[in-house]
Amino acid sequence: AQKVTQAQTEISVVEKEDVTLDCVYETRDTTYYLFWYKQPPSGELVFLIRRNSFDEQNEISGRYSWNFQKSTSSFNFTITASQVVDSAVYFCALSEYNTDKLIFGTGTRLQVFP
Amino acid sequence: NAGVTQTPKFQVLKTGQSMTLQCAQDMNHEYMSWYRQDPGMGLRLIHYSVGAGITDQGEVPNGYNVSRSTTEDFPLRLLSAAPSQTSVYFCASNKASYNEQFFGPGTRLTVL
Repeated sequence: AQKVTQAQTEISVVEKEDVTLDCVYETRDTTYYLFWYKQPPSGELVFLIRRNSFDEQNEISGRYSWNFQKSTSSFNFTITASQVVDSAVYFCALSEYNTDKLIFGTGTRLQVFP
Repeated sequence: NAGVTQTPKFQVLKTGQSMTLQCAQDMNHEYMSWYRQDPGMGLRLIHYSVGAGITDQGEVPNGYNVSRSTTEDFPLRLLSAAPSQTSVYFCASNKASYNEQFFGPGTRLTVL
């Protein structure tokens, strides 16, 4: 069965600090996809990134970076030089190739204080 | 493109009432899903569909029905509302299971 664990319920940082959000997943499949979504205080869900299980390259997009490690079943998300606008709930999610479901973690609430 | 639209945005029901949450997408996506979001529990999958005429249960299907008669629409029916169904409901669509999902703005439902 597939499962996503985001152990950090809430993180608070001061602006310009770096912060890492952890995501650990479980799956029996060899082909799967991992996602991160952002939910700002306005409530909508915004797609950030997708990774497939065969691509372990780290990805950087501006101040955002993702570290995918199959050996530890983790797909962590780092925000460099955090800003107040980064305050949101961040969800990690997993989709196995031979199922049609997307399973979400419980989310991490990030608060960035000025 | 409007993307994924949901109506209504807010709804208050009394226990035992029934209602339908509407969801539509104009991106010609085959896959559509319904989630509920409760504090501390993330998004939990209620029902999903991989195409017109095909639906399946997710993690928390009890008390909800769905049908998919067209590619565009995926309504969620609450048969007899209960206070435990108080939640925020999100509809989503995607091209295939491994593609990113596009979410609607959500419906906040309160059952008294």
